[in-house]
Amino acid sequence: EIVLTQSPGTLSLSPGERATLSCRASQSVSSSYLAWYQQKPGQAPRLLIYGASSRATGIPDRFSGSGSGTDFTLTISRLEPEDFALYYCQQYGSSPITFGQGTRLEIK
Amino acid sequence: EVQLVESGGGLVQPGGSLRLSCAASGFTFSGYEMNWVRQAPGKGLEWVSYISSSGSTIYYADSVKGRFTISRDNAKNSLSLQMNSLRAEDTAVYYCARAPTFYYDSSGYRIYYFDYWGQGTLVTVSS
Repeated sequence: EIVLTQSPGTLSLSPGERATLSCRASQSVSSSYLAWYQQKPGQAPRLLIYGASSRATGIPDRFSGSGSGTDFTLTISRLEPEDFALYYCQQYGSSPITFGQGTRLEIK
Repeated sequence: EVQLVESGGGLVQPGGSLRLSCAASGFTFSGYEMNWVRQAPGKGLEWVSYISSSGSTIYYADSVKGRFTISRDNAKNSLSLQMNSLRAEDTAVYYCARAPTFYYDSSGYRIYYFDYWGQGTLVTVSS
């Protein structure tokens, strides 16, 4: 099973700043099959990125994903107030699919 | 608009049973793979079970294998999860989630991500 480790655990930034979230896999993720989700309190997760770098429908272009192999990054270019939330990565390169433990993005 | 609405959660004693349902609308349900994913209070996400569009292929996480049964009724646009022999560690919010497509890993298992999720239903296992 591939273990995903997200860092940092908590990221404190201000609106307008750039956020960089990391997801590291215990072994190479085949075909860059990595997704990112956003979750706000009391809500279901929302798909942001799939295939490591493809934005899901309706996701603003300030969200971007990059990486391959074992190292992946979610970047939010200029933080909006609604971006402060929990973020999870998920690998679907091999079974069983697994999630990272999450990064909390909080307002500084 | 894609909608997934879960129901059936509640409080159950250890060893008990519960059946969750997910009503789907806004898309051709029979054309999509469906899943259950859970989230224990204050914890991360854990995939639980998968069922193919036709219902012919089913997977379970090791943590629930032999205790949970996933099923679907394409005529009723409905997904279900029968949970037996429940344990305290099964306490979580259970989400139904749609997979837009799937791939095969090197072992021939289907692999996928999730494009739409329901709002979840809380299952609490406690005496």
